[in-house]
Amino acid sequence: EAQVTQNPRYLITVTGKKLTVTCSQNMNHEYMSWYRQDPGLGLRQIYYSMNVEVTDKGDVPEGYKVSRKEKRNFPLILESPSPNQTSLYFCASSLSGDGYTFGSGTRLTVV
Amino acid sequence: AQSVTQPDIHITVSEGASLELRCNYSYGATPYLFWYVQSPGQGLQLLLKYFSGDTLVQGIKGFEAEFKRSQSSFNLRKPSVHWSDAAEYFCAVGASYGGSQGNLIFGKGTKLSVKP
Repeated sequence: EAQVTQNPRYLITVTGKKLTVTCSQNMNHEYMSWYRQDPGLGLRQIYYSMNVEVTDKGDVPEGYKVSRKEKRNFPLILESPSPNQTSLYFCASSLSGDGYTFGSGTRLTVV
Repeated sequence: AQSVTQPDIHITVSEGASLELRCNYSYGATPYLFWYVQSPGQGLQLLLKYFSGDTLVQGIKGFEAEFKRSQSSFNLRKPSVHWSDAAEYFCAVGASYGGSQGNLIFGKGTKLSVKP
């Protein structure tokens, strides 16, 4: 089944403890992206990638890192999480920028 | 910079009534336009998209949208709403060319409630 898989689905962590949210797609898509969703703010793009080793900042990149070493994987790294990064995170992929397929989301709580 | 405005935060319609959700965008060239739906606790599902050609596009679940360049709008419509359409709807705009095609910008969403 064609899909975008994120892990974990739920995560509670403490301030400052490095974490990684994984994202994998099995559709051989070129583009991948991370979004965060907050009430009243909609979805805001964190980073996106056009291909292996090619990434660019979205609207809210501060406090996040990404890497694209393989086409199928696009992990999101929070080196030192803070409470304002508590959010619902979505990974997405697209064949050619013509509309993203979204994962099921990761609900992150930073205490 | 591109941006998307969804003027209505929350809309309530009766089941069987028609629906129109508004979306206005700002973009310097011809954009790619999308509508997504998010049911409670779920991810986002693509309803329809516009790239070029016919300005009236058909999507899944009986939805359609019309691109109006002169009004910078891409409103979503459905002739008869079902209770299962209750969800949050997001309009999005993306670049139609170049490396920034992955930079898809979303509006803040419109929550749709359906009365029996």
